[in-house]
Amino acid sequence: GAVVSQHPSRVICKSGTSVKIECRSLDFQATTMFWYRQFPKKSLMLMATSNEGSKATYEQGVEKDKFLINHASLTLSTLTVTSAHPEDSSFYICSASTGYTEAFFGQGTRLTVV
Amino acid sequence: GENVEQHPSTLSVQEGDSAVIKCTYSDSASNYFPWYKQELGKRPQLIIDIRSNVGEKKDQRIAVTLNKTAKHFSLHITETQPEDSAVYFCAATKGGGTSYGKLTFGQGTILTVHP
Repeated sequence: GAVVSQHPSRVICKSGTSVKIECRSLDFQATTMFWYRQFPKKSLMLMATSNEGSKATYEQGVEKDKFLINHASLTLSTLTVTSAHPEDSSFYICSASTGYTEAFFGQGTRLTVV
Repeated sequence: GENVEQHPSTLSVQEGDSAVIKCTYSDSASNYFPWYKQELGKRPQLIIDIRSNVGEKKDQRIAVTLNKTAKHFSLHITETQPEDSAVYFCAATKGGGTSYGKLTFGQGTILTVHP
């Protein structure tokens, strides 16, 4: 199957700083990628749809100025958590679909804001 | 938007028994229904999926059924093994092309298989 790689897998940052998470499709081109957030023992919630070469589409209730998404190439989307606070601590996962197939998930990033 | 309800939230079975997890969805336009298994701290892994033009699909010990009229679908695991213990999520999307990745997930079911 297709491979989606996400980095870093874990990051700890200080409150007020920004953190960038990368999501790469290694063996296919992904014009669209998706970013999810998962709280402990909870389900995955779609945050935004990342579109190559255009602005991301955010789900209702997601702060676009807090969670900056850039999809500069067909294989890379980045999520930047700006001015992070402890409540931003979570598991962030990206995914991409090759087209008429399943979605492939990255490994996820465990963000801890202290 | 789409809403997916999943039951039960926890399920405990003995090794060798069957396990059934049920989901309902709200958007009749949804046409793709995957099931994922997630172990702690890991990415969700697709275990089986079904499209709206099919009523049932089976892969060894795992099967999924879909009732479009009632808007519900179910995961069936037979001959459960301890390694089946994990969190299972159903999902739905009215996908087309890359939109198959835009998923609405159920709340998850913690499955525990006792040896």
